Amino acid sequence: GAGVSQSPSNKVTEKGKDVELRCDPISGHTALYWYRQSLGQGLEFLIYFQGNSAPDKSGLPSDRFSAERTGGSVSTLTIQRTQQEDSAVYLCASSLFQTGNTIYFGEGSWLTVV
Amino acid sequence: QKEVEQNSGPLSVPEGAIASLNCTYSDRVSQSFFWYRQYSGKSPELIMSIYSNGDKEDGRFTAQLNKASQYVSLLIRDSQPSDSATYLCAVGNTGGGNKLTFGTGTQLKVEL
Repeated sequence: GAGVSQSPSNKVTEKGKDVELRCDPISGHTALYWYRQSLGQGLEFLIYFQGNSAPDKSGLPSDRFSAERTGGSVSTLTIQRTQQEDSAVYLCASSLFQTGNTIYFGEGSWLTVV
Repeated sequence: QKEVEQNSGPLSVPEGAIASLNCTYSDRVSQSFFWYRQYSGKSPELIMSIYSNGDKEDGRFTAQLNKASQYVSLLIRDSQPSDSATYLCAVGNTGGGNKLTFGTGTQLKVEL
């Protein structure tokens, strides 16, 4: 596609429910990233993929968070048993793999846990 | 110590003035540096990238990098109200891949 596509754009869920956030990267981009941004805060790295493998998942805040990528393309970030502190914008980005290449962001998935 | 530090602002400048945004980073061997602009409620968009010491100019924007001082800055000439946004400094680590570490951003307000 022309840009990084994320869905849903907005999600309101009840505390304790599971949510899945989807990211479709720019065609041909082998690297895919998930970041989280809480209200008024900077971007917090969660995980990145090179192809289908995740060399760095150091930013996942707890074992309630997981992500996968299939076919070297679409990625899904899953949050189990959501908590109110999970409320944030979840931003997906993609790039060509080599260090120094520009990372392009999607519009984000706004998650509110009530 | 945060890995990438920015003054949160707000930085207020009059229309037409030069806005100067600063960023310091802690990883001495960082190799790639980026400035992103983020409007309220929107995702970050790339403004400038810089990889070697010195200045890099693109239109009204100039990025400056000093690796010895671990310092990168963004100058915006002839500031416009449409430049009002949060500017995020991002640094590429050297652990392989292209992971960026972001500062918390500086809010810029350009006043009429």
